[in-house]
Amino acid sequence: KAGVTQTPRYLIKTRGQQVTLSCSPISGHRSVSWYQQTPGQGLQFLFEYFSETQRNKGNFPGRFSGRQFSNSRSEMNVSTLELGDSALYLCASSVGTGGYGYTFGSGTRLTVV
Amino acid sequence: SQQGEEDPQALSIQEGENATMNCSYKTSINNLQWYRQNSGRGLVHLILIRSNEREKHSGRLRVTLDTSKKSSSLLITASRAADTASYFCATDAGSYIPTFGRGTSLIVHP
Repeated sequence: KAGVTQTPRYLIKTRGQQVTLSCSPISGHRSVSWYQQTPGQGLQFLFEYFSETQRNKGNFPGRFSGRQFSNSRSEMNVSTLELGDSALYLCASSVGTGGYGYTFGSGTRLTVV
Repeated sequence: SQQGEEDPQALSIQEGENATMNCSYKTSINNLQWYRQNSGRGLVHLILIRSNEREKHSGRLRVTLDTSKKSSSLLITASRAADTASYFCATDAGSYIPTFGRGTSLIVHP
């Protein structure tokens, strides 16, 4: 059974650019969540999607957006990149919402220069 | 903001010893989970314990939950070098969105 796949693994972008990260959940998992991990702030919740609907959103500016497709795959987009957006972005899937363990992908390491 | 906070921040032990990590949280929860993260990689789910449960086991792992004290502990028995990682607790409340602590960095020396 394939795990959660995140692409790309590494990314270097320049300030002001935009970036799109992709996540393919485990087959059969309909819930996808995104987290940002930095040494300073730890793991911070970005979004949760279930059946193509955003169910919850964390405390991030509007430059951070996401979506989920009918096959449960998800993308997140960050526009007008800032140096502080450099982080490990983690995607996690679960069978549903409400009290299920997450399966995480290996993450996308974004560096903004 | 972090809901759960792990203690200690760092733990260094010898192979074969037991490792105990604690997690304290502030508000009532639905569930508490423990995850492991190897350097720069994704998190691996270890155990989920619900608010009406007091103890769960999985292999060499034992998790306890004391809702009256708003705390949990993770015990790893007979530690191995491969257990070297960061360990996070995650609590979820009303929205069921897991909120992660800062983690405990465990080093197991061979």
